[in-house]
Amino acid sequence: GAVVSQHPSRVICKSGTSVKIECRSLDFQATTMFWYRQFPKQSLMLMATSNEGSKATYEQGVEKDKFLINHASLTLSTLTVTSAHPEDSSFYICSAKNTVAGGPHEQYFGPGTRLTVT
Amino acid sequence: GIQVEQSPPDLILQEGANSTLRCNFSDSVNNLQWFHQNPWGQLINLFYIPSGTKQNGRLSATTVATERYSLLYISSSQTTDSGVYFCAVSPYNTDKLIFGTGTRLQVFP
Repeated sequence: GAVVSQHPSRVICKSGTSVKIECRSLDFQATTMFWYRQFPKQSLMLMATSNEGSKATYEQGVEKDKFLINHASLTLSTLTVTSAHPEDSSFYICSAKNTVAGGPHEQYFGPGTRLTVT
Repeated sequence: GIQVEQSPPDLILQEGANSTLRCNFSDSVNNLQWFHQNPWGQLINLFYIPSGTKQNGRLSATTVATERYSLLYISSSQTTDSGVYFCAVSPYNTDKLIFGTGTRLQVFP
């Protein structure tokens, strides 16, 4: 149980285009999902908290107009990188927390999406 | 904000050796998790351990919340243990995870 998927696993796009990344909780419901970014040989940095049915909460320094987050259902959150530039190239990882009352509080992570902007 | 430091940053072991990884955090937390990131980038949950001690096979973890640190023990290490180990904490009243600096482990046969 507690499987999180991401799609696509790898994407290459041209500078100026937009890219959408999907994050799904496959066997549990998640009112809250999280989006992280990881540069090579660095730790994960939280970008935003995605709340089902409401606006995402962005961490300081993350441009909300550049990284659009939509959490339309209890099992799906999407991150759209708008007008991508080479400096947006990174490994994007989502996580989800099981929101069943009394359930475990741990978060489970997707396999990540490697974005390369040329 | 809360700071999460891990030590050592790098660790090189021979197969069969034991090791201890440390995670220090600067403020009270309501969640602490240990992860292993494999070479493909997947984060694998090792322990959810905001306090106390847990064991799972060759791995065990201890968190002393009052002293703001957690330890991950790896015994009889294997080459498949190689990768990066992260601890991550949730500050009180939040669900978000703040990741530590990581420990890169290499196990050689």
